[in-house]
Amino acid sequence: GEDVEQSLFLSVREGDSSVINCTYTDSSSTYLYWYKQEPGAGLQLLTYIFSNMDMKQDQRLTVLLNKKDKHLSLRIADTQTGDSAIYFCAESKEQAGTALIFGKGTTLSVSS
Amino acid sequence: KAGVTQTPRYLIKTRGQQVTLSCSPISGHRSVSWYQQTPGQGLQFLFEYFSETQRNKGNFPGRFSGRQFSNSRSEMNVSTLELGDSALYLCASSLESGANVLTFGAGSRLTVL
Repeated sequence: GEDVEQSLFLSVREGDSSVINCTYTDSSSTYLYWYKQEPGAGLQLLTYIFSNMDMKQDQRLTVLLNKKDKHLSLRIADTQTGDSAIYFCAESKEQAGTALIFGKGTTLSVSS
Repeated sequence: KAGVTQTPRYLIKTRGQQVTLSCSPISGHRSVSWYQQTPGQGLQFLFEYFSETQRNKGNFPGRFSGRQFSNSRSEMNVSTLELGDSALYLCASSLESGANVLTFGAGSRLTVL
């Protein structure tokens, strides 16, 4: 079956690191994505990782993929109030094209 | 370059009416995908168009349809609106069909009364 699960809320203090977790069930996933959605806006692609990689770093963002456990995480270093948003994990499969399967989203709240 | 443009941004309709939403992709992008976002169901794939052809379709009733024009602009239509169709409809464009990088627009928020 296809299912992507995320915890619903995460609250951190400004300057701390945030870690948002995601699990997926489909082992044939090709790419895994992290999107950010701010209020009243569409989805902004933050980063993505190919399923044969286990880590990707991009400035303050680090993505870790444990394919054996089907676990994906997004670490945001030095979290800022501007990082407050909903973060979506998504997976894709080669034969499904642009039909991504999204999690329900994790609301990140950053307090100063 | 300009991003993905969706119009209208907000609209209110009543049950039984029909609605058409428009999406202009990033210049040079030939694939357009549509998603529905609701609080209960989250983000769900509606369909993808490439070269004026529907390439893929999600699990939605036939009241949901779309099309793509020769300039890659796309429209989606929902007929016989139901209260449950109230949602944010997001359009995303990519260079090619099946491309792994989707750029989303800001969405069209539909309220059905």
